[in-house]
Amino acid sequence: GAGVSQSPRYKVAKRGQDVALRCDPISGHVSLFWYQQALGQGPEFLTYFQNEAQLDKSGLPSDRFFAERPEGSVSTLKIQRTQQEDSAVYLCASSFPGQGTDTQYFGPGTRLTVL
Amino acid sequence: DAKTTQPPSMDCAEGRAANLPCNHSTISGNEYVYWYRQIHSQGPQYIIHGLKNNETNEMASLIITEDRKSSTLILPHATLRDTAVYYCIVRDINTDKLIFGTGTRLQVFP
Repeated sequence: GAGVSQSPRYKVAKRGQDVALRCDPISGHVSLFWYQQALGQGPEFLTYFQNEAQLDKSGLPSDRFFAERPEGSVSTLKIQRTQQEDSAVYLCASSFPGQGTDTQYFGPGTRLTVL
Repeated sequence: DAKTTQPPSMDCAEGRAANLPCNHSTISGNEYVYWYRQIHSQGPQYIIHGLKNNETNEMASLIITEDRKSSTLILPHATLRDTAVYYCIVRDINTDKLIFGTGTRLQVFP
């Protein structure tokens, strides 16, 4: 079946521009996660949704970062006034929650480069 | 902060077993050990997880020491396609997010 998809795969933005990154989770998956991965580092948690509710946004680095999932399916991560330090791969993952040991399935990521 | 310690890199000959160690000396009773891997330019891929018993699936085996302070991921017959960064993660059963460290870069050579 189809996995998690993300678009665009690559995005180049000039500093100060706004960007929107899309995630299509696996059909039926209730939980959705966003992670940020800097070059040479492991992914770092940004935010988490259960259906349309954003239950944890403790990892968002600043108020320039905003995520939404209005209908409990597709999610968008928006970054306003991009800065060079925002350059990273943004990963989306989804899961169907079980007993706290549900497996997260990751998309291929969006590589954002801010010039 | 990640609760695990892994060697930064390892090599393995194709066809041999790859044994990837992980230390998690501060693990608590309600925390699981998860392993993910990330092949270049792809998202992380789930491999296996366990609580205290050894686990095996079609991809790998997970050996957890009796005191649960360390574990080993075993790829029984490594292939070139197993070249990747392998992440050992300790996850609280009540926490949804994964906390990655920097992982072990496994290079499988012919």
